[in-house]
Amino acid sequence: AQTVTQSQPEMSVQEAETVTLSCTYDTSENNYYLFWYKQPPSRQMILVIRQEAYKQQNATENRFSVNFQKAAKSFSLKISDSQLGDTAMYFCAFMKGETSGSRLTFGEGTQLTVNP
Amino acid sequence: NAGVTQTPKFQVLKTGQSMTLQCAQDMNHEYMSWYRQDPGMGLRLIHYSVGAGITDQGEVPNGYNVSRSTTEDFPLRLLSAAPSQTSVYFCASSGQAMNTEAFFGQGTRLTVV
Repeated sequence: AQTVTQSQPEMSVQEAETVTLSCTYDTSENNYYLFWYKQPPSRQMILVIRQEAYKQQNATENRFSVNFQKAAKSFSLKISDSQLGDTAMYFCAFMKGETSGSRLTFGEGTQLTVNP
Repeated sequence: NAGVTQTPKFQVLKTGQSMTLQCAQDMNHEYMSWYRQDPGMGLRLIHYSVGAGITDQGEVPNGYNVSRSTTEDFPLRLLSAAPSQTSVYFCASSGQAMNTEAFFGQGTRLTVV
C-alpha cells in the first residue's frame, strides 16, 4: 500500500514571497503519478500540478513548480509570488500508474495562509 | 458545463437513519469514486467504480454501499448512520486514459448526531 505524508499541518507566508510545501511518499511501484490539489474555503478540490514519475523534469504551472526527487520519494510544491487567493488547504496525492485519476491516496494536508 | 454534481450539500442525520448521497457526472467518465475528508487525515477512498455495473472497495468501505447502474450516476448509501460517519464526502470522476485529471464535486457535509 502507498502512503503520503505531509509533515507541515500549517504554514504562512507574506504576499509576494515564496513558500515551499513538503510531501513525502512511500511506494514499491515504479510507475506512478503525483499531484498537488488546492482546497480553498469553498471546499472545491482544484488540481494545481501533476508529475509523472517517469519524467525527470520537474513540472511547472505558472507560479507553481515542484521539486520531484524520485530516489528520496519527495515531492515538494513551490509557490512563487504568493497571492492572497493562494490561501487554501493543499493536498499531495499519489496514483498508481495502472489506475485512473479518481483513485488517489492523499496526504494529511497543509493549511497555507497568505498574509497581506 | 456541470461537471460532477453532488447532492445534498449539507445534511444532518440521527444515529441509525439511512440516506443516499447522490453523485452525477456529465462528462461520460468511466471512473468514479467516493472519498471522505476528516481533519488531519486528508481524503480517504471509500468505494470506486471502473464502469457501469462494476464497483470495488477502497480504504474505508465499512458502513457504506454503492452501486453503478449507469455511467452518469454513482450514489453512496449509508444504511445505518453512526456518529463516526460525520465527515465531508467527495465524489470524483475521471476518464480512462492514464493520469487523467480527477474532477471533484463540491462535497457533502454530513453530521450524524
